[in-house]
Amino acid sequence: NAGVTQTPKFQVLKTGQSMTLQCAQDMNHEYMSWYRQDPGMGLRLIHYSVGAGITDQGEVPNGYNVSRSTTEDFPLRLLSAAPSQTSVYFCASKQSTGQGNEKLFFGSGTQLSVL
Amino acid sequence: GESVGLHLPTLSVQEGDNSIINCAYSNSASDYFIWYKQESGKGPQFIIDIRSNMDKRQGQRVTVLLNKTVKHLSLQIAATQPGDSAVYFCAENRGGGADGLTFGKGTHLIIQP
Repeated sequence: NAGVTQTPKFQVLKTGQSMTLQCAQDMNHEYMSWYRQDPGMGLRLIHYSVGAGITDQGEVPNGYNVSRSTTEDFPLRLLSAAPSQTSVYFCASKQSTGQGNEKLFFGSGTQLSVL
Repeated sequence: GESVGLHLPTLSVQEGDNSIINCAYSNSASDYFIWYKQESGKGPQFIIDIRSNMDKRQGQRVTVLLNKTVKHLSLQIAATQPGDSAVYFCAENRGGGADGLTFGKGTHLIIQP
């Protein structure tokens, strides 16, 4: 049981390049989400999904796309990277939504630099 | 706007002493609170949680206290060890929407030998 797995761990992009951050979980969790973490800003929600085929925007969705074709995977796409997207990205999952299911399980993060 | 915040960005304690990390919240409707520990280069790791119908919950060397009257949450770590060095985040579940957790900005706990 690996939990939440993120790849790659580090990535450097040039402005305008595209890439996909991968996230997979093996806990059969319905809910998955992406956060970015910037110094002094805490964790901010980018996108989330409450189940396969369903995605929604979080607090800072601009510049990012997501899809949820399977329960296990929730990739985050940057279509045209910008320096403002330099950050550490965390994927998180939980069993489901609703009371009793608030605890999020986090991956180890992807450190992204956009030059 | 409403937010979850921490009183101190950095807290330095002596090894073996008890640590207290504080968190203020402003949404009286929040019904669930959680503490995470984040070590350098790693993702946040669950420490302990508490529901609003409780005022205290204990784990192994950790205790969370909830004071709903003043909207204050604290994490107490007993006999602090070098491995406790990390950034600690509190988060609240404000309810509504599919993702209720709102995170504070974090407190960096530094352990002095």
